[in-house]
Amino acid sequence: DARVTQTPRHKVTEMGQEVTMRCQPILGHNTVFWYRQTMMQGLELLAYFRNRAPLDDSGMPKDRFSAEMPDATLATLKIQPSEPRDSAVYFCANPDESGETQYFGPGTRLLVL
Amino acid sequence: QKEVEQNSGPLSVPEGAIASLNCTYSDRGSQSFFWYRQYSGKSPELIMSIYSNGDKEDGRFTAQLNKASQYVSLLIRDSQPSDSATYLCAVNANAGGTSYGKLTFGQGTILTVHP
Repeated sequence: DARVTQTPRHKVTEMGQEVTMRCQPILGHNTVFWYRQTMMQGLELLAYFRNRAPLDDSGMPKDRFSAEMPDATLATLKIQPSEPRDSAVYFCANPDESGETQYFGPGTRLLVL
Repeated sequence: QKEVEQNSGPLSVPEGAIASLNCTYSDRGSQSFFWYRQYSGKSPELIMSIYSNGDKEDGRFTAQLNKASQYVSLLIRDSQPSDSATYLCAVNANAGGTSYGKLTFGQGTILTVHP
């Protein structure tokens, strides 16, 4: 049963702390997307990788956010320092090889106090 | 102007009725169109895709696309309480193979089906 996994599922932290979110893509699916979802903005694309190389991270605040894919089984999204406005659900998603179907992970619910 | 627009609702329909969800997009060159369903507290899941003008039916769901009007819709026939969710319209500006599935999402429409 191939699926995208994300950890942690929930994170509560204080403003100024570093937050690291992890994603395990479906094995063999070489493209990884990071989305952020809030009530106000909806689902926004932050960054995406293809074969571990960043293709587009224009949706990501560069001063505090960073995304990496150190190997084919792990993608990370870091926020340092975190701020209350970063509170959201962060989704990792894999498209299939045609690019037409996106498989979403369960999300990380982040609350920054 | 948002690239993909949906009426946020909530849209409330009685069980057994037809629910009609609408979406407009701004990029006339868009190639692929999708409807995702998201239950409260869950992640989005794909329910329909459509690429050419006209209707596409899958069970109780029908997607309709009109590229000239830049309009996509989703009809749910015989609505059930289990259809209550947020429905997200998504657009891929390029054919999937060239953009690797990069999607722009609408804000979503909240649908409630009451017994």
